[in-house]
Amino acid sequence: DAKTTQPPSMDCAEGRAANLPCNHSTISGNEYVYWYRQIHSQGPQYIIHGLKNNETNEMASLIITEDRKSSTLILPHATLRDTAVYYCIVRVGTSGTYKYIFGTGTRLKVLA
Amino acid sequence: GAGVSQTPSNKVTEKGKYVELRCDPISGHTALYWYRQSLGQGPEFLIYFQGTGAADDSGLPNDRFFAVRPEGSVSTLKIQRTERGDSAVYLCASSLRLAGFNTGELFFGEGSRLTVL
Repeated sequence: DAKTTQPPSMDCAEGRAANLPCNHSTISGNEYVYWYRQIHSQGPQYIIHGLKNNETNEMASLIITEDRKSSTLILPHATLRDTAVYYCIVRVGTSGTYKYIFGTGTRLKVLA
Repeated sequence: GAGVSQTPSNKVTEKGKYVELRCDPISGHTALYWYRQSLGQGPEFLIYFQGTGAADDSGLPNDRFFAVRPEGSVSTLKIQRTERGDSAVYLCASSLRLAGFNTGELFFGEGSRLTVL
């Protein structure tokens, strides 16, 4: 069962920041939050991940609340190529066995 | 190769037939995952290999589904007596796991689209 809930769809104007929320209220202390995106007919692509601290890379920023029950993926300047389904994922397991549980994702449409 | 390779990219079969889907992970990646994705849904976990052994096969829907990874590299997902409900895109992903450190990033292939008529 998915451990995350996301809004089914969002629109964002090109050039503006896209803020995609995710709830993971049942997350455990050692479980990481991952974000992937899937452009039509392709395999999912890694974006970013984090445990407690906020993270930033060349693609996006990840803001995790202090209680870790929710997070937000931020695409700072959305482009048309960012139109995709975005999945917030909790990685469950131990160092011997990891499982990545996908939810139904948020379909982001970037508008010109 | 540079990425995860899956073959065939498309497979059309008849109900009741046997199907094999192949996954060639990134060289050196010890972890390998199979997922199934139905239209409009997120990927659904099927099975995870660490090396040659299946570390977690809890997502396999029933005993018609089986997967192997005999040499710790290429994996084959096998589906017996296919049913129309098996129609989906089957995704494979691999991950690098170093002693004491795991980036956790999964690299996905483009998937094998299975259609059961």
